Formats: sequence, C-alpha cells, structure tokens
Amino acid sequence: GDSVTQMEGPVTLSEEAFLTINCTYTATGYPSLFWYVQYPGEGLQLLLKATKADDKGSNKGFEATYRKETTSFHLEKGSVQVSDSAVYFCALSDGPGGSYIPTFGRGTSLIVHP
Amino acid sequence: NAGVMQNPRHLVRRRGQEARLRCSPMKGHSHVYWYRQLPEEGLKFMVYLQKENIIDESGMPKERFSAEFPKEGPSILRIQQVVRGDSAAYFCASSQKKANQPQHFGDGTRLSIL
Repeated sequence: GDSVTQMEGPVTLSEEAFLTINCTYTATGYPSLFWYVQYPGEGLQLLLKATKADDKGSNKGFEATYRKETTSFHLEKGSVQVSDSAVYFCALSDGPGGSYIPTFGRGTSLIVHP
Repeated sequence: NAGVMQNPRHLVRRRGQEARLRCSPMKGHSHVYWYRQLPEEGLKFMVYLQKENIIDESGMPKERFSAEFPKEGPSILRIQQVVRGDSAAYFCASSQKKANQPQHFGDGTRLSIL
C-alpha cells in the first residue's frame, strides 16, 4: 500500500536559518503530493502541492519539488521565521482510478527561536 | 467564504455518555473524511463518506463508533459509551469529487472524557 515517511522532529532552528524537512513516499501509479501545515489549536491547511514529476510547489517562501527518481518531496525554506513554528505533514493522493483517501506522514514539528 | 465547519470545538463527556461531533463540508464538496489525532501523533484516518454513503470505514473501531452524511445536514461522527481512551482531537476534512484534490480541514473538536 501507499506510505509516506517524514523525518522525525522536533526540528529546532534559529530565526533566518535554512529549513529542510525530508519526505519520501511509496505509491503505485502517479500520485499527487502535498504539504500541509498545522498551527496550534487549528486544523491542517494546505501549504503547497505538486501533481507530476519535476513540478515545484511553492507558497509563503516554502518550496518542494516532486522527485520521481528518488520518490521524495522535501520541504525547504530559505529563511524561517518564528511564525513558521508549527507541525508539517507530507501527504500523497493516488491518481485517477486510485483511492480517494490520502496518505499522511506522521508530521514533523518545527520550532523556530528568535 | 465558509470553510469546513466543525462543532463543537470542545466537548466534555463522562465515561459511558454519548458524543456527537458535527461537520459541515465546504460548499460544493461531496466527500467527507474523519480523522483522529492524539497528542504528539499524526492523523489517523477513520472513515470516508459521500452523501448518504459510507465509502470506506476501515479506520473506524467496529464498536461504539458510527458515522453518517445524510442528504441534508452535516456529517455526524457518533461515539457511544465513551471511554477515557476516546479523548483526542477529531478532525473533519472535505474535498471535491475529483481525484488528487487537496483536502480542506476544519479546526477540529477536542473531546475530553472525564
């Protein structure tokens, strides 16, 4: 079955540091890939997505590139802010004909210190 | 611009009582998903519904838990005879009836069992 593996947290950084959160996946077919962010006390929000190989999703300074050859979708940001402190979830959704139920990683907590 | 609406935000029940959690999907969305999240853990899929149909309930406990998405009104997640272990945050998400669509999440219901 499909699976998503994220690096374990918490990831602790100083403000303006470079961020990478690793995500790898296994899936049949050609899934779409997503990053969601969850702030304390809230639900998940879509951060960015990519629907095919070599696509780059980007939003709010975050980027992730769909790498089919390495089955990865690592999240990056060049300069993090305290307000980026949250839990980040990598997820995939099967292509047409697949399950409508997405697969989520366990989440990676990011803590950014001033 | 109504997103996914969940209520109540917080629910306190004593052991043995019933808990009813409500979810109104985004306008135009016909797919509803329920998840459970425990502290420091990821999302656990429970059930996937479309209007008047349960599509996949493989993540839901066989006893005490039930879900519905009637033709009119919100989706309901019902937990009968609650126990301490049911304490968690329950999230509802909705999506369009297309493959590879991102999910839109509500802010969750925090269920506490005394």
